[in-house]
Amino acid sequence: AQSVTQLGSHVSVSEGALVLLRCNYSSSVPPYLFWYVQYPNQGLQLLLKYTSAATLVKGINGFEAEFKKSETSFHLTKPSAHMSDAAEYFCAVSGPAGNKLTFGGGTRVLVKP
Amino acid sequence: KAGVTQTPRYLIKTRGQQVTLSCSPISGHRSVSWYQQTPGQGLQFLFEYFSETQRNKGNFPGRFSGRQFSNSRSEMNVSTLELGDSALYLCASSSGTSGSYSYEQYFGPGTRLTVT
Repeated sequence: AQSVTQLGSHVSVSEGALVLLRCNYSSSVPPYLFWYVQYPNQGLQLLLKYTSAATLVKGINGFEAEFKKSETSFHLTKPSAHMSDAAEYFCAVSGPAGNKLTFGGGTRVLVKP
Repeated sequence: KAGVTQTPRYLIKTRGQQVTLSCSPISGHRSVSWYQQTPGQGLQFLFEYFSETQRNKGNFPGRFSGRQFSNSRSEMNVSTLELGDSALYLCASSSGTSGSYSYEQYFGPGTRLTVT
């Protein structure tokens, strides 16, 4: 079975500050890992994905994440927060066979001016 | 390309009724997955269809069912609605073949179902 834990359901950052969202996973098979963002009243948008290539993954909107197998982590970072980054972020895992995503509980990001 | 579309966007039903939600995937995508999003349980996988066949299934009761048509459009049905079925239902499409996966799923805006 696979599971995802996101540490912190709410994160508050100042505009221009580092954004760090934590994600730890559990998987009995090589994992495929994803970060999605959800804006109010919208669906999910894929930020980035890890599918066993480079461990440092760059995504859209300046976000990146690093896969650390030894720590079973896939934390999401952005060097400088922008007001438009205010949204809810979800980490997800799937196995190599299938499109079944298991999501973490989500982290809501508030950006203060 | 047009994105994933879901209809209707909002729906209000009464307990005991049944409901059908529709999803049109991105053109050329043959895989359609459905997810339920609630404040209490978060995002949960319902099922995935590929070429009109259910390929994966989540842990939901049999009241939740789906199907996929030859044009890849998909519907999900919930029978005998309960208050706890109130949720945002998200559909996602992806490319790939019967033996491979693209691992990129594109989500629609969702259908907000309220059961009273």
